[in-house]
Amino acid sequence: DAKTTQPNSMESNEEEPVHLPCNHSTISGTDYIHWYRQLPSQGPEYVIHGLTSNVNNRMASLAIAEDRKSSTLILHRATLRDAAVYYCIPTRGKDSSYKLIFGSGTRLLVRP
Amino acid sequence: EAGVAQSPRYKIIEKRQSVAFWCNPISGHATLYWYQQILGQGPKLLIQFQNNGVVDDSQLPKDRFSAERLKGVDSTLKIQPAKLEDSAVYLCASSYRGREGLDEQFFGPGTRLTVL
Repeated sequence: DAKTTQPNSMESNEEEPVHLPCNHSTISGTDYIHWYRQLPSQGPEYVIHGLTSNVNNRMASLAIAEDRKSSTLILHRATLRDAAVYYCIPTRGKDSSYKLIFGSGTRLLVRP
Repeated sequence: EAGVAQSPRYKIIEKRQSVAFWCNPISGHATLYWYQQILGQGPKLLIQFQNNGVVDDSQLPKDRFSAERLKGVDSTLKIQPAKLEDSAVYLCASSYRGREGLDEQFFGPGTRLTVL
């Protein structure tokens, strides 16, 4: 399983963009990159995933480096509700035993 | 669409007692997961079911933990007997195996267990 490195914590001001980095230098060519987040006192929730190309959805954007050894989750305008722990998780695609292996994640603090 | 339901939300027991947690996944989701989340850490997968069969239970402490998913819907996770180090939040998640096998997992609110 690929190992990931994320900052322990980051801070942002409300309504400003946030870039959450993740290093996954041991990722294999077929691993997808998933991001989940966990709001206080809740279970994790899916944010976005990608393989090689940058991805956008209603919650965030995912920028994947050309060598796939790192990725960045982008929240375009942080809100107070985005304060959470963000997990970057490489996963094996096309695998019936697909599972999430969570690290410690990045705790995002959003200042009003 | 109703989410993943778990009960109870909170449980306090003394060590060496037994406890059981219940999970009702989202309707139609074939895959069900149980995670353990110790304070300050990310969730750790304990067991994964595909319908009513076990896919992965490599991280389940089988001397004290057991889980079942009868009829491929609801699931229960049991700890017998509990130890102090079992204090954690127990999360249930479910997913629908879509194309590419890349299932988004939907998590329940968790059961917070305190062992005294």
